[in-house]
Amino acid sequence: DTAVSQTPKYLVTQMGNDKSIKCEQNLGHDTMYWYKQDSKKFLKIMFSYNNKELIINETVPNRFSPKSPDKAHLNLHINSLELGDSAVYFCASSQDLPIYSGNTIYFGEGSWLTVV
Amino acid sequence: SQKIEQNSEALNIQEGKTATLTCNYTNYSPAYLQWYRQDPGRGPVFLLLIRENEKEKRKERLKVTFDTTLKQSLFHITASQPADSATYLCALVEARGSTLGRLYFGRGTQLTVWP
Repeated sequence: DTAVSQTPKYLVTQMGNDKSIKCEQNLGHDTMYWYKQDSKKFLKIMFSYNNKELIINETVPNRFSPKSPDKAHLNLHINSLELGDSAVYFCASSQDLPIYSGNTIYFGEGSWLTVV
Repeated sequence: SQKIEQNSEALNIQEGKTATLTCNYTNYSPAYLQWYRQDPGRGPVFLLLIRENEKEKRKERLKVTFDTTLKQSLFHITASQPADSATYLCALVEARGSTLGRLYFGRGTQLTVWP
């Protein structure tokens, strides 16, 4: 069973479109994240939710809107896609916030987004 | 500005040797430092965690050291094997300020172990 699963794995879309990436974790964790990995492999946090509450919004354009319907799900919706949005988006989860005992973060397999 | 720098983008070593990867940070006060492994086309996988008050941690062939004076962590893989070839990411959890609790990653070092 996959601990953190995200769909779709690959997504090719045109500029200006709106798309969503879904994420689910079956680990019973309280905290979920979205990370973006650019072409230079730099992994940067975008959002973090703890018990469905947004706790980190790391200077991300408001075209990106996360939604957490429950603790096990954190979806990412992107409006008006731009070429620069092309990247790999990783969903992740941890038992609690990293500051508490440096909780291990479990990553999904990534969603490869290409905007043409 | 805040930076997490990993010694080199790529490191090539021969099987059986010890691989040593370096992670240096600037303008962070880490509560914890973590190391992850990332294979091509996959998500990062947690390997080891070391706390700010710990000097060294071991797990099988892996060893991590943490020197808060030098602001540096070293990650060692002893008796390296071709299967150890991957990108290794250093990450730290910020202990203070407005970014308290956030996990920040370095760009990673791509390790290749050749037979």
